[in-house]
Amino acid sequence: DQQVKQNSPSLSVQEGRISILNCDYTNSMFDYFLWYKKYPAEGPTFLISISSIKDKNEDGRFTVFLNKSAKHLSLHIVPSQPGDSAVYFCAQEGTGGTSYGKLTFGQGTILTVHP
Amino acid sequence: GAGVSQSPSNKVTEKGKDVELRCDPISGHTALYWYRQSLGQGLEFLIYFQGNSAPDKSGLPSDRFSAERTGGSVSTLTIQRTQQEDSAVYLCASSLNGEGQETQYFGPGTRLLVL
Repeated sequence: DQQVKQNSPSLSVQEGRISILNCDYTNSMFDYFLWYKKYPAEGPTFLISISSIKDKNEDGRFTVFLNKSAKHLSLHIVPSQPGDSAVYFCAQEGTGGTSYGKLTFGQGTILTVHP
Repeated sequence: GAGVSQSPSNKVTEKGKDVELRCDPISGHTALYWYRQSLGQGLEFLIYFQGNSAPDKSGLPSDRFSAERTGGSVSTLTIQRTQQEDSAVYLCASSLNGEGQETQYFGPGTRLLVL
């Protein structure tokens, strides 16, 4: 079974500080992970991804870390800005068999960045 | 168009009625996905079309749900005899080839409320 879990429903940080969003997964067979950001009344927007051949991927203020032994990934946003306030979803993609292309999403974490 | 579009943006229907939700993917994208987000939940995969291949229907929750994709472009998700538990945001996404490790681009969603 393939499950993705975001155990923190919400996170509140001060502008300029680091935001760390966490995600755990159960099935190591699927090796591509993505983070999406979602504003109210809009569809999710792709942020950053990582393949299991790496343990870190960085894009500007956003860095994703992958710990394969712990089946854990995290998204770091630094410095956090008020415009980052949104719901963040992590997702895992299957790369073979019947799960090819399909994304399994976590429940999401609501990030609030205070000015 | 520049992005994935969906219609209607909102739909209110009575229990037992049929509804049709439409998705226009990004031009040139051969892969199309339907997900839904119920209140307080993450995104749940429903169905996936890739080119001319048979769709992956493994996420459809019941036989009341069906989808088709005409001409390799526009897709319609049909829910027959709607139930209150069908109330959710239905999201469509597309990607270039559906071959894995691709970004899926989401539309704004259709908010369905079944009374």
